[in-house]
Amino acid sequence: QVQLQESGPGLVKPSQTLSLSCTVSGGSISSGGYYWNWIRQLPGKGLEWMGYIYHSGSTFYNPSLKSRVTISVDTSKNEFSLNLRSVTAADTAVYYCAGRLYYGSGSYSFDPWGQGTLVTVSS
Amino acid sequence: QSALTQPASVSGSPGQSITISCSGTSSDIGGHDYVSWYQHHPDKAPKLIIFDVSHRPSGVSNRFSGSKSGNTASLTVSGLQAEDEADYYCSSYSSTSTPWVFGGTTKLTVL
Repeated sequence: QVQLQESGPGLVKPSQTLSLSCTVSGGSISSGGYYWNWIRQLPGKGLEWMGYIYHSGSTFYNPSLKSRVTISVDTSKNEFSLNLRSVTAADTAVYYCAGRLYYGSGSYSFDPWGQGTLVTVSS
Repeated sequence: QSALTQPASVSGSPGQSITISCSGTSSDIGGHDYVSWYQHHPDKAPKLIIFDVSHRPSGVSNRFSGSKSGNTASLTVSGLQAEDEADYYCSSYSSTSTPWVFGGTTKLTVL
């Protein structure tokens, strides 16, 4: 059973880059069975899908974040990462990584998810 | 402002049934049968409980059911149990420039 775990700094200064990693266990990123996603929950608001990467390196980003976000994959470490540049306080959120099946029934849903990690943007 | 609209809270007594609505548009809920529902207990990973409008993943209780009418999807929890107290989110595939949209959080309280 695939499990995900986010890691990274809980505090980032304004204008800097937010960097998080998601370690995949119980399966290989290289297997190609999933798209790997980042999703965030802004305080008091709903969830926002940020983008995904496939093991081949192909990506697709939320247009509202496209100019600031990069998602990458490291198959040797079985992890994928999020970089969000030029952050402001508005980027303070709980960040989740999540898998979405590459094909088949349920391939338009997110499963599994990591527990999430709170990142605060503050000086 | 979330793309999909959910009530902020719902409540019910043990054994009762509750329904959480999720309203969208013809570009998301109304145009595709790709609505999902997630259950989220504090400090745990969100859990998929309904996919493709009304399908339950293996292991999810049949007390959870999903449906859709027009641009609105619904999650019904029957036979409420204390363990159902959690946050619930809806999501839909969208044919706009942002392919996945979510609702706000609905907090379910079991009285």
